[in-house]
Amino acid sequence: RKEVEQDPGPFNVPEGATVAFNCTYSNSASQSFFWYRQDCRKEPKLLMSVYSSGNEDGRFTAQLNRASQYISLLIRDSKLSDSATYLCVVNFREYGNKLVFGAGTILRVKS
Amino acid sequence: GAGVSQSPSNKVTEKGKDVELRCDPISGHTALYWYRQSLGQGLEFLIYFQGNSAPDKSGLPSDRFSAERTGGSVSTLTIQRTQQEDSAVYLCASSKGQNTDTQYFGPGTRLTVL
Repeated sequence: RKEVEQDPGPFNVPEGATVAFNCTYSNSASQSFFWYRQDCRKEPKLLMSVYSSGNEDGRFTAQLNRASQYISLLIRDSKLSDSATYLCVVNFREYGNKLVFGAGTILRVKS
Repeated sequence: GAGVSQSPSNKVTEKGKDVELRCDPISGHTALYWYRQSLGQGLEFLIYFQGNSAPDKSGLPSDRFSAERTGGSVSTLTIQRTQQEDSAVYLCASSKGQNTDTQYFGPGTRLTVL
């Protein structure tokens, strides 16, 4: 099993749609969780951290489910500019507490 | 601009040549990371520095790859006797302290080995 698994997509959605991605992780002791966004041929950039109680930033909502070991990202009212690859990131203590990046989920928002 | 910078942005080299890639982290960031990303693939961890030491070199794919960091700042990644499979984007990131802190990425170096 991969340490961090994501559905690669692509998710093709119309503008204004709500879309959700899940990410599963293998280590129950993980403590730090993030979503990064990567545009085509660009470097990854932090979208948001994921907190235990869940958190929201504008149209974006992140949730953590420790019991089932997954995190989710919900995007409401999708914009064309949301088209990107979304990377799930989790820390792994057995690897010296380093961050492990998922392979990403591709989102394409179309008009 | 106080972001992570990398040079060169693009490098084309012939198979068998050595290349050196440079990363300037955000000022004051003690942790520095190297990753590589092949076309359409996820990030592959290479090495992590805390200050000038590298507690985790587990991702270096072969002994042709080495990295150093001096003065707790600039880092260089060296690839000796390059092979075509080394072609990828090499990304550097830095974070404030703990290696679980948010990582900020540089724009990457696109390496093409002919």
